Amino acid sequence: DTGVSQNPRHKITKRGQNVTFRCDPISEHNRLYWYRQTLGQGPEFLTYFQNEAQLEKSRLLSDRFSAERPKGSFSTLEIQRTEQGDSAMYLCASSFRDGYTEAFFGQGTRLTVV
Amino acid sequence: AQTVTQSQPEMSVQEAETVTLSCTYDTSESDYYLFWYKQPPSRQMILVIRQEAYKQQNATENRFSVNFQKAAKSFSLKISDSQLGDAAMYFCAYRSLVAQKLVFGQGTRLTINP
Repeated sequence: DTGVSQNPRHKITKRGQNVTFRCDPISEHNRLYWYRQTLGQGPEFLTYFQNEAQLEKSRLLSDRFSAERPKGSFSTLEIQRTEQGDSAMYLCASSFRDGYTEAFFGQGTRLTVV
Repeated sequence: AQTVTQSQPEMSVQEAETVTLSCTYDTSESDYYLFWYKQPPSRQMILVIRQEAYKQQNATENRFSVNFQKAAKSFSLKISDSQLGDAAMYFCAYRSLVAQKLVFGQGTRLTINP
């Protein structure tokens, strides 16, 4: 296991199209997080899962966004009807359940909406 | 809601010198965790150092140390003997014991001059 893996690394899409990103966490981790990072800013929390249950969603996660984690393994983040404002780096992280252990991040998926 | 502020968008230091990155945060909680993450260009974010709020002793990891002032809600990072590989964006982050998400500051871009 080499860490958190995100695919694709880059995605360019036309406005109005749907896109889906995948995150494969570290296998022993039962928590998985999605963050969004715009240029020059720190990451902002979107949502997190404990196993397959989605336990918290940010207000940033509009109705066009949906995330799943079937079977508590990999996760997908889908954005429907993309808008230019969705252009950002989407980061995935995973951790153990305890509050102290660090979260390990993937390299992110950079989305550009044209 | 908790907030994290990094007031230095950019910092630079000569190789082998010492640099301190500033971070302040706002919270009404008494127990929480604080982190410094490093994000090199085009690479994933990695944990540099963490601090539990109930511990009075400042955390240290090799060349990295923090100055945690709980009453002042300040959490600065000191990097000693700066190396070229330390060049990156540095993010200060807060995590509540109750909520599992990380709240990040805006980041400080650190440049190391040879």
